[in-house]
Amino acid sequence: EAGVAQSPRYKIIEKRQSVAFWCNPISGHATLYWYQQILGQGPKLLIQFQNNGVVDDSQLPKDRFSAERLKGVDSTLKIQPAKLEDSAVYLCASSPEGQTYNEQFFGPGTRLTVL
Amino acid sequence: GDSVTQMEGPVTLSEEAFLTINCTYTATGYPSLFWYVQYPGEGLQLLLKATKADDKGSNKGFEATYRKETTSFHLEKGSVQVSDSAVYFCALIGGSYIPTFGRGTSLIVHP
Repeated sequence: EAGVAQSPRYKIIEKRQSVAFWCNPISGHATLYWYQQILGQGPKLLIQFQNNGVVDDSQLPKDRFSAERLKGVDSTLKIQPAKLEDSAVYLCASSPEGQTYNEQFFGPGTRLTVL
Repeated sequence: GDSVTQMEGPVTLSEEAFLTINCTYTATGYPSLFWYVQYPGEGLQLLLKATKADDKGSNKGFEATYRKETTSFHLEKGSVQVSDSAVYFCALIGGSYIPTFGRGTSLIVHP
């Protein structure tokens, strides 16, 4: 089966610009996660969707970050405006069921550099 | 909140050496515990998991035992190979259902 797809793979922007990332999870997976991974650190959960509803977004900086999952499938994560400290790899993952202790399948990530 | 602490890397070993990567956690309730691996240039993938105390997860020669009394989930392998060189992440999902990852431990295996 096809894995989790993310695009773009790399993005370089100036601070105060806007950027958007796209994720297509594995077909049929109900749960979708967005993580931020800063160099040298583990992934930090930003937002978790189950179908098209938000399960948790307590660690999402809502003044500049937003995310949506239309029709419970694809998802986009947006940063507006970007700051230098947003430089990181943004990971998308999906799981086949709801809020249970299931394996997450990760995409390759989008590496964002903010200059 | 929940947290995961991993030993700092890099861990550098010769081929066929014994590997231990320590992982301890803090969580409410009875979390499920995971080890993920990230090979160079690839995304994270699940290596093994354990969902209750005293469970042993195993895969590809790696093992980890869920120790509730010491809140630990150490990763072990009896004989590492060059192809095991990667970054290993310990993670948990607790009662809040929010996945929490450790910082990752880089493993370098020399021939």
